[in-house]
Amino acid sequence: DAKTTQPNSMESNEEEPVHLPCNHSTISGTDYIHWYRQLPSQGPEYVIHGLTSNVNNRMASLAIAEDRKSSTLILHRATLRDAAVYYCILRDPSTGTASKLTFGTGTRLQVTL
Amino acid sequence: EAQVTQNPRYLITVTGKKLTVTCSQNMNHEYMSWYRQDPGLGLRQIYYSMNVEVTDKGDVPEGYKVSRKEKRNFPLILESPSPNQTSLYFCASSSGQSYNEQFFGPGTRLTVL
Repeated sequence: DAKTTQPNSMESNEEEPVHLPCNHSTISGTDYIHWYRQLPSQGPEYVIHGLTSNVNNRMASLAIAEDRKSSTLILHRATLRDAAVYYCILRDPSTGTASKLTFGTGTRLQVTL
Repeated sequence: EAQVTQNPRYLITVTGKKLTVTCSQNMNHEYMSWYRQDPGLGLRQIYYSMNVEVTDKGDVPEGYKVSRKEKRNFPLILESPSPNQTSLYFCASSSGQSYNEQFFGPGTRLTVL
Protein backbone atom coordinates (compact mmCIF):
# COMPACT_ATOMS: atom_id res chain seq x y z
CA ASP A 1 0.00 0.00 0.00
CA ALA A 2 1.16 3.51 -0.73
CA LYS A 3 2.25 5.27 2.43
CA THR A 4 1.40 8.69 3.78
CA THR A 5 3.51 11.05 5.88
CA GLN A 6 2.00 13.55 8.29
CA PRO A 7 3.45 15.82 10.98
CA ASN A 8 3.11 14.34 14.45
CA SER A 9 1.38 17.37 15.89
CA MET A 10 0.07 20.83 15.09
CA GLU A 11 -1.41 23.66 17.09
CA SER A 12 -4.04 26.17 16.18
CA ASN A 13 -5.94 28.99 17.80
CA GLU A 14 -9.68 28.76 17.98
CA GLU A 15 -11.55 30.45 15.14
CA GLU A 16 -8.44 30.32 12.93
CA PRO A 17 -8.12 28.19 9.77
CA VAL A 18 -6.02 25.04 10.04
CA HIS A 19 -4.14 23.39 7.20
CA LEU A 20 -3.16 19.78 7.89
CA PRO A 21 -0.65 18.49 5.33
CA CYS A 22 -0.18 14.95 4.04
CA ASN A 23 2.54 13.67 1.72
CA HIS A 24 1.90 10.61 -0.44
CA SER A 25 4.63 10.63 -3.06
CA THR A 26 4.06 6.99 -4.08
CA ILE A 27 0.33 7.38 -4.67
CA SER A 28 -1.06 5.36 -7.59
CA GLY A 29 -3.51 6.63 -10.17
CA THR A 30 -6.39 4.72 -8.59
CA ASP A 31 -5.76 5.67 -4.94
CA TYR A 32 -8.39 7.79 -3.26
CA ILE A 33 -7.24 10.13 -0.50
CA HIS A 34 -9.33 9.77 2.65
CA TRP A 35 -9.22 11.69 5.91
CA TYR A 36 -10.52 10.41 9.20
CA ARG A 37 -10.23 11.92 12.64
CA GLN A 38 -10.40 10.46 16.12
CA LEU A 39 -11.68 12.64 18.91
CA PRO A 40 -10.53 11.81 22.45
CA SER A 41 -12.14 8.61 23.78
CA GLN A 42 -14.08 8.01 20.56
CA GLY A 43 -13.84 5.87 17.46
CA PRO A 44 -12.50 7.31 14.22
CA GLU A 45 -14.93 9.28 12.09
CA TYR A 46 -14.89 10.02 8.40
CA VAL A 47 -14.05 13.56 7.40
CA ILE A 48 -13.68 13.74 3.63
CA HIS A 49 -12.20 12.00 0.61
CA GLY A 50 -11.18 12.85 -2.94
CA LEU A 51 -9.39 11.57 -6.02
CA THR A 52 -8.12 14.48 -8.10
CA SER A 53 -10.28 17.55 -7.63
CA ASN A 54 -10.58 19.62 -4.50
CA VAL A 55 -13.55 18.66 -2.36
CA ASN A 56 -15.70 20.52 0.15
CA ASN A 57 -18.20 19.27 2.69
CA ARG A 58 -19.75 20.56 5.87
CA MET A 59 -16.79 19.50 7.97
CA ALA A 60 -13.78 20.49 5.90
CA SER A 61 -12.15 21.04 2.52
CA LEU A 62 -9.60 18.82 0.83
CA ALA A 63 -7.04 20.41 -1.44
CA ILE A 64 -5.17 17.94 -3.67
CA ALA A 65 -1.95 18.91 -5.41
CA GLU A 66 -1.95 18.73 -9.17
CA ASP A 67 0.58 15.86 -9.17
CA ARG A 68 -1.41 14.19 -6.35
CA LYS A 69 1.75 13.65 -4.32
CA SER A 70 0.39 15.70 -1.46
CA SER A 71 -2.89 16.95 -0.07
CA THR A 72 -4.09 19.32 2.62
CA LEU A 73 -7.09 19.05 4.89
CA ILE A 74 -8.48 22.47 5.65
CA LEU A 75 -10.59 23.27 8.67
CA HIS A 76 -11.88 26.74 7.97
CA ARG A 77 -12.49 27.81 11.54
CA ALA A 78 -11.05 25.51 14.17
CA THR A 79 -13.02 25.03 17.36
CA LEU A 80 -12.09 23.26 20.56
CA ARG A 81 -14.22 20.35 19.35
CA ASP A 82 -11.85 19.87 16.41
CA ALA A 83 -9.02 18.80 18.71
CA ALA A 84 -8.32 15.26 17.54
CA VAL A 85 -5.88 12.99 15.74
CA TYR A 86 -6.29 13.39 11.98
CA TYR A 87 -5.40 10.49 9.70
CA CYS A 88 -4.64 10.72 5.99
CA ILE A 89 -5.27 7.33 4.33
CA LEU A 90 -4.96 6.08 0.76
CA ARG A 91 -7.52 3.61 -0.50
CA ASP A 92 -7.55 1.85 -3.86
CA PRO A 93 -11.06 0.60 -4.70
CA SER A 94 -9.68 -1.61 -7.45
CA THR A 95 -8.04 -3.94 -4.92
CA GLY A 96 -9.77 -6.55 -2.83
CA THR A 97 -8.58 -4.97 0.39
CA ALA A 98 -9.91 -1.51 -0.41
CA SER A 99 -12.28 -1.63 2.52
CA LYS A 100 -9.46 -1.95 5.02
CA LEU A 101 -8.29 1.31 6.45
CA THR A 102 -4.56 1.39 7.14
CA PHE A 103 -4.07 3.97 9.85
CA GLY A 104 -0.71 5.60 10.40
CA THR A 105 0.11 7.68 13.46
CA GLY A 106 -1.73 10.76 12.17
CA THR A 107 -1.44 14.39 13.23
CA ARG A 108 -2.54 15.38 16.70
CA LEU A 109 -4.24 18.77 16.43
CA GLN A 110 -4.38 20.95 19.51
CA VAL A 111 -6.75 23.90 19.51
CA THR A 112 -6.34 26.63 22.07
CA LEU A 113 -8.43 29.62 23.05
CA GLU B 1 -30.00 7.39 14.23
CA ALA B 2 -27.44 5.56 12.09
CA GLN B 3 -24.90 3.99 14.37
CA VAL B 4 -22.56 1.17 15.27
CA THR B 5 -22.91 -0.10 18.82
CA GLN B 6 -20.50 -2.21 20.83
CA ASN B 7 -20.92 -4.02 24.09
CA PRO B 8 -19.48 -4.01 26.60
CA ARG B 9 -17.69 -0.67 26.54
CA TYR B 10 -15.30 -1.73 29.28
CA LEU B 11 -14.27 -5.20 30.36
CA ILE B 12 -11.72 -6.53 32.79
CA THR B 13 -11.21 -10.26 32.67
CA VAL B 14 -8.64 -12.94 33.49
CA THR B 15 -6.44 -15.03 31.27
CA GLY B 16 -8.23 -17.91 29.62
CA LYS B 17 -11.81 -16.88 30.32
CA LYS B 18 -13.72 -16.86 27.04
CA LEU B 19 -15.41 -13.59 26.14
CA THR B 20 -17.43 -12.07 23.33
CA VAL B 21 -17.60 -8.43 22.32
CA THR B 22 -20.72 -7.69 20.35
CA CYS B 23 -21.03 -5.28 17.44
CA SER B 24 -24.24 -4.24 15.77
CA GLN B 25 -25.06 -1.75 13.01
CA ASN B 26 -28.43 -0.43 11.88
CA MET B 27 -27.45 0.84 8.43
CA ASN B 28 -27.83 -2.42 6.48
CA HIS B 29 -24.12 -2.35 5.67
CA GLU B 30 -22.55 -5.31 3.93
CA TYR B 31 -19.03 -4.73 5.19
CA MET B 32 -18.00 -4.97 8.83
CA SER B 33 -14.62 -5.22 10.50
CA TRP B 34 -12.79 -5.23 13.80
CA TYR B 35 -9.72 -3.18 14.68
CA ARG B 36 -7.55 -2.99 17.73
CA GLN B 37 -5.75 0.16 18.77
CA ASP B 38 -2.53 0.09 20.77
CA PRO B 39 -0.22 2.96 21.72
CA GLY B 40 2.44 3.52 19.08
CA LEU B 41 0.92 0.93 16.73
CA GLY B 42 -2.19 2.73 15.57
CA LEU B 43 -5.30 0.85 14.51
CA ARG B 44 -4.81 -2.58 13.03
CA GLN B 45 -7.46 -4.72 11.40
CA ILE B 46 -8.22 -8.05 13.08
CA TYR B 47 -10.97 -9.58 10.92
CA TYR B 48 -13.43 -8.37 8.36
CA SER B 49 -16.61 -9.56 6.71
CA MET B 50 -17.82 -8.69 3.23
CA ASN B 51 -21.32 -10.03 3.90
CA VAL B 52 -23.27 -12.70 5.80
CA GLU B 53 -21.25 -15.90 6.22
CA VAL B 54 -18.22 -14.31 4.52
CA THR B 55 -15.32 -13.50 6.84
CA ASP B 56 -11.59 -13.20 6.39
CA LYS B 57 -8.45 -12.45 8.37
CA GLY B 58 -7.04 -8.99 8.67
CA ASP B 59 -3.53 -8.11 9.75
CA VAL B 60 -3.60 -9.43 13.34
CA PRO B 61 -6.13 -12.31 13.56
CA GLU B 62 -4.26 -14.61 15.96
CA GLY B 63 -6.25 -15.34 19.11
CA TYR B 64 -9.55 -14.06 17.74
CA LYS B 65 -12.61 -15.53 16.06
CA VAL B 66 -15.57 -13.88 14.39
CA SER B 67 -18.89 -14.89 12.93
CA ARG B 68 -21.40 -13.20 10.65
CA LYS B 69 -24.72 -15.02 10.88
CA GLU B 70 -26.79 -11.88 10.45
CA LYS B 71 -26.07 -8.80 8.43
CA ARG B 72 -26.33 -6.42 11.37
CA ASN B 73 -24.14 -8.30 13.88
CA PHE B 74 -20.44 -9.12 13.87
CA PRO B 75 -19.27 -10.44 17.26
CA LEU B 76 -15.59 -10.72 18.18
CA ILE B 77 -14.75 -13.83 20.20
CA LEU B 78 -11.68 -14.36 22.34
CA GLU B 79 -11.67 -18.09 23.16
CA SER B 80 -8.74 -17.89 25.59
CA PRO B 81 -7.76 -14.27 26.20
CA SER B 82 -4.18 -13.44 27.08
CA PRO B 83 -2.67 -10.23 28.51
CA ASN B 84 -1.30 -9.25 25.08
CA GLN B 85 -4.89 -8.85 23.95
CA THR B 86 -5.37 -5.97 26.35
CA SER B 87 -6.31 -3.21 23.96
CA LEU B 88 -8.97 -0.82 22.70
CA TYR B 89 -11.22 -2.49 20.15
CA PHE B 90 -13.30 -0.83 17.46
CA CYS B 91 -15.94 -2.26 15.19
CA ALA B 92 -16.64 -0.57 11.87
CA SER B 93 -19.11 -0.93 9.03
CA SER B 94 -19.62 0.46 5.56
CA SER B 95 -21.78 -0.10 2.52
CA GLY B 96 -20.68 -2.23 -0.40
CA GLN B 97 -18.83 0.48 -2.25
CA SER B 98 -15.26 0.02 -1.11
CA TYR B 99 -14.38 3.71 -1.15
CA ASN B 100 -17.33 4.69 1.01
CA GLU B 101 -16.88 6.04 4.47
CA GLN B 102 -16.63 3.62 7.34
CA PHE B 103 -18.64 4.13 10.50
CA PHE B 104 -16.94 3.21 13.75
CA GLY B 105 -18.36 2.14 17.05
CA PRO B 106 -17.46 3.85 20.34
CA GLY B 107 -14.85 1.26 21.28
CA THR B 108 -14.43 -1.47 23.88
CA ARG B 109 -11.57 -1.19 26.31
CA LEU B 110 -10.48 -4.69 27.28
CA THR B 111 -8.04 -5.55 30.05
CA VAL B 112 -6.85 -9.12 30.43
CA LEU B 113 -5.13 -9.83 33.74
